[in-house]
Formats: sequence, C-alpha cells, structure tokens
Amino acid sequence: DTGVSQNPRHKITKRGQNVTFRCDPISEHNRLYWYRQTLGQGPEFLTYFQNEAQLEKSRLLSDRFSAERPKGSFSTLEIQRTEQGDSAMYLCASSLGDSTSETQYFGPGTRLLVL
Amino acid sequence: AQSVTQLDSQVPVFEEAPVELRCNYSSSVSVYLFWYVQYPNQGLQLLLKYLSGSTLVESINGFEAEFNKSQTSFHLRKPSVHISDTAEYFCAAIPTSGYSTLTFGKGTMLLVSP
Repeated sequence: DTGVSQNPRHKITKRGQNVTFRCDPISEHNRLYWYRQTLGQGPEFLTYFQNEAQLEKSRLLSDRFSAERPKGSFSTLEIQRTEQGDSAMYLCASSLGDSTSETQYFGPGTRLLVL
Repeated sequence: AQSVTQLDSQVPVFEEAPVELRCNYSSSVSVYLFWYVQYPNQGLQLLLKYLSGSTLVESINGFEAEFNKSQTSFHLRKPSVHISDTAEYFCAAIPTSGYSTLTFGKGTMLLVSP
C-alpha cells in the first residue's frame, strides 16, 4: 500500500476564489471520507463515499462545498467562493469493507489558508 | 449521535514517566472506540482500537487502553514514555452499525521532556 495521498499539501487563496483538492485512497478501499480539522479541534466529518455513491453529508458541508468520486477511485473536494472561515486542514481517509469497525487510514491533509 | 470528550488539552511529562490520556464518550448506541496519533507534520495514524472482547487493548509501541462501559471511558496509558511519543492523540468513536463516521475528541497534546 502506498497510503492515502492528498494534493496539494498547501493552498493559499483569496476570499471568493474557488479551490479544489484531490484525494487518492489506498487501492481497493471502497470507502472514502473527508474531514475538516481546525486549530485546537479534532477532525470533523464532512462527507463520505462508498465506491462512487455519496452516502452521507454533514451539516457542516454548505452549498459551497461539493465532493465527487466519479469512478469510485480518487475523490475531489471543491469549495466555491471561499471564505476566511474555510481556512482549515482538510483530511481524507479511506477504509476497506462495509463495517464501521474497519480502520480508516488518513492522508497527510491539505492545509487551506483563505486571505 | 455520539460525543467524545478528551479532558486534557495538554499533558506535559518527563521522559520515562508514566502517562494517562483521558477519554470519555457519550452515545445512545453501541460504539467502537479508537485512539489515533498525529506526529508533527504527519497524518493521523491508528494507535489502537476496541471492537469487542477483552476490554484491554494494546499497541505495538507500548500504549494500552481500557474500555470501561460503566464509566463510558477509554483512557490511554503508557508506563514509560519516550521523547518520540511527543504528539497529539485523538480519541474517536463510531457506531457499531449503520451509515456513520468517526466522531473525534478535541485531542490531547502529549509533551515529553528529557
């Protein structure tokens, strides 16, 4: 396993711009998760996919946020019209199988700074 | 819904001293419990997890955690810490069934000094 990878690792953008992050899960992992982590907080769930189906979305995921996993492999998270409050670390995780007991493996994260 | 509370935001200890990082959870359904560790500038890594069976679970690097259902706790312990254990530790819970995801605590920063 090469692990979960995320790109870019860092992103600085101006308020109002759109940004897109990519996550490549561990090969053959059918579940993929997005979390957001702000300073002094634990990761907070945003959304998750089983294969290409988006099964759950948090209330944290406003209309400006959209996530896709078109072929059940990599995923993208887009934030439109960024706001300063969107500044955070965005984490991606993947897991194998359908049980909640399966370990979620996390990527290194994408740190977003909105100026 | 479930919630996870980590009672200490920072725990400073000296090398070779014992340490306990506290975690309490609240849930209306059965949950699995996890401890993740985040070293500086790295992603979260699973340290250990409790699914069922023995209430004491161990990691490969000397940490252990005990599930206590009556006290709804899952405290993490190590009898003798190393400098390299300096990291942030997150406790997390997930329901045992249904569509759901991990709920994390706010984390505890373990600072090990020589």
